[in-house]
Order: sequence, then structure tokens, then C-alpha cells
Amino acid sequence: QQQVKQSPQSLIVQKGGISIINCAYENTAFDYFPWYQQFPGKGPALLIAIRPDVSEKKEGRFTISFNKSAKQFSLHIMDSQPGDSATYFCAASKSYNTDKLIFGTGTRLQVFP
Amino acid sequence: GAGVSQSPRYKVAKRGQDVALRCDPISGHVSLFWYQQALGQGPEFLTYFQNEAQLDKSGLPSDRFFAERPEGSVSTLKIQRTQQEDSAVYLCASSQTGGLNYGYTFGSGTRLTVV
Repeated sequence: QQQVKQSPQSLIVQKGGISIINCAYENTAFDYFPWYQQFPGKGPALLIAIRPDVSEKKEGRFTISFNKSAKQFSLHIMDSQPGDSATYFCAASKSYNTDKLIFGTGTRLQVFP
Repeated sequence: GAGVSQSPRYKVAKRGQDVALRCDPISGHVSLFWYQQALGQGPEFLTYFQNEAQLDKSGLPSDRFFAERPEGSVSTLKIQRTQQEDSAVYLCASSQTGGLNYGYTFGSGTRLTVV
């Protein structure tokens, strides 16, 4: 049973544009929502994460928006660069780092010059 | 070490062969996770260790899968009598423990191909 739904499956953006990836979760016990970036042949790397006590978190060009009532969260990449081309995964888990992550199915982002 | 190290990076196994995949977590990281990532999919949880104790193995797909971490550091994921559906990237991740989740550090994975 898929607990985290991610869209779109793929995304093509021009350099300088905004990339937006959306996720929805089902389990209301989740309260930690990270985004991971994965390059070919590498493991996922933590990009940015949010907890439900805030509605938005920004780190550089990356912003997470969180809507607790709708059980949705999204990643915005501002001023997208060709180096951002990768696969992005949203994930969810409970608070403590003894809890497993449930991943979305991934979004393949391609940023063209 | 500086990161999570996995070996081998690639493994080709004949159907029915047993394989062993190794994970060296970051030094001092108490928590260790194994995930399976099929082509074009997100990682799926297999099992979790806290030190040498396997606290959650609910994601292991069958009794052909076995994981251990006998001394609380290096972990081995063993797959017996491999099947074609076992072909995937196996990822190991580690984290500190005892507090809020601040994310895990993943290794680069072992790509297993069963022929």
C-alpha cells in the first residue's frame, strides 16, 4: 500500500525556471518530511526537510511548502540549473530516527540550458 | 569513515545463487537501514538495526532474505537462492540515534542483477 504519492513522474524545465514537485501522504502519524536528491549511480542525498509545525522552509534555492490539513507537501526549486538535473524523492516518517522512511516514486527532473 | 560504504558496487548472480552484500556505516552511527530500490522506483524499506539488534524486519520480502549486524557496526544482507525479481539496487543508510530524525546518510548501493 503506497503511503506517499508523488507527481509528476518527470519534469522538464528551462534554466532559470521554477521546478515544482508535489507529494501527498496518508498516514497522519507522519511528522517528518524530507526530500532526497539522487544522481545516477549514487544513493539518495538529503536535500531539505520539514516538520509540520511550520508551513514553509527555505534553504537557498530550495523551498518546501507544507499543508497539514490537505496532507500535502511540495518542493520548489527556484532558478533551476542544469546541475539540478537528477531524480527527486519525497519521503515521510515519524519523528524519531529509529523510524523508517516511506518514499514516493520519484520525479526525474531535467533542466535544459 | 566519512560516508557509508557498500560493497560490491555491482553483483551479477545466476538464478539460484546465494549473495552477500556488505555495508560499512558511518563510524558511531547506531542506526542502520537496508532499502531495496527497483529500477525507476523509490527505495523501499527492508530492515532496521539499532546496534546489533534487528528491531524491524517487516520489509524483507521473503525468508530468502536475511540481514545481520553482529558487532553493531558492519552489516551484511544475504539473499539465498536468488530470483530474477531480486534484481535491484540495495541501499544501506545509517544515522545517529537518540533524538529527532535529521535524516539518514545513504551509501551508493549495490546493484544486483540476477540472470
